[in-house]
Amino acid sequence: DAGVTQSPTHLIKTRGQQVTLRCSPKSGHDTVSWYQQALGQGPQFIFQYYEEEERQRGNFPDRFSGHQFPNYSSELNVNALLLGDSALYLCASSLGEIANEQYFGPGTRLTVT
Amino acid sequence: AQSVAQPEDQVNVAEGNPLTVKCTYSVSGNPYLFWYVQYPNRGLQFLLKYITGDNLVKGSYGFEAEFNKSQTSFHLKKPSALVSDSALYFCAVSLNFNKFYFGSGTKLNVKP
Repeated sequence: DAGVTQSPTHLIKTRGQQVTLRCSPKSGHDTVSWYQQALGQGPQFIFQYYEEEERQRGNFPDRFSGHQFPNYSSELNVNALLLGDSALYLCASSLGEIANEQYFGPGTRLTVT
Repeated sequence: AQSVAQPEDQVNVAEGNPLTVKCTYSVSGNPYLFWYVQYPNRGLQFLLKYITGDNLVKGSYGFEAEFNKSQTSFHLKKPSALVSDSALYFCAVSLNFNKFYFGSGTKLNVKP
């Protein structure tokens, strides 16, 4: 049974570019949440997707957007990259709209130069 | 606004000794509280949660945590630390299970 998978593992982008990160939830899970973890800090909630809709959103600008597909996988898109967007991006999956217990993927390390 | 504080950046303990990693929270409502552990280059792993009921919660790998409503705390404990417990520990709070707020993390060092 595969856990949460994320791709790519690492990514280097230039300021102003756009990036797409991908997440496949744990088998049987239908809810995906995205977090940004800057170096030395705890994860910051970006948003959560359930039934292909954004259900909750943290304090992130509109440059951060997402999508959930019918197979429950999800994408995180970041436009107009800033140096401050450099971080580990974590995806977490759970079952149902009430994300009682989340399972995290290994993350995608994004470096913006 | 909801927030979580982990007052210690680092906790050092000798193997076999008891350990405590502190967490306090500030929420406007009844909190649901969680502890996660993160090993290097890995995602977060769930340890335990408090939803309701008994204030002492037991979780994975021998860890437990005590919910104290009057002190708004949810400290993580283990009676006897192992070297393999060395990792980064995060406390998290949620009001609705949809939006989670994490602390800044505490690095636990267990020395042989």
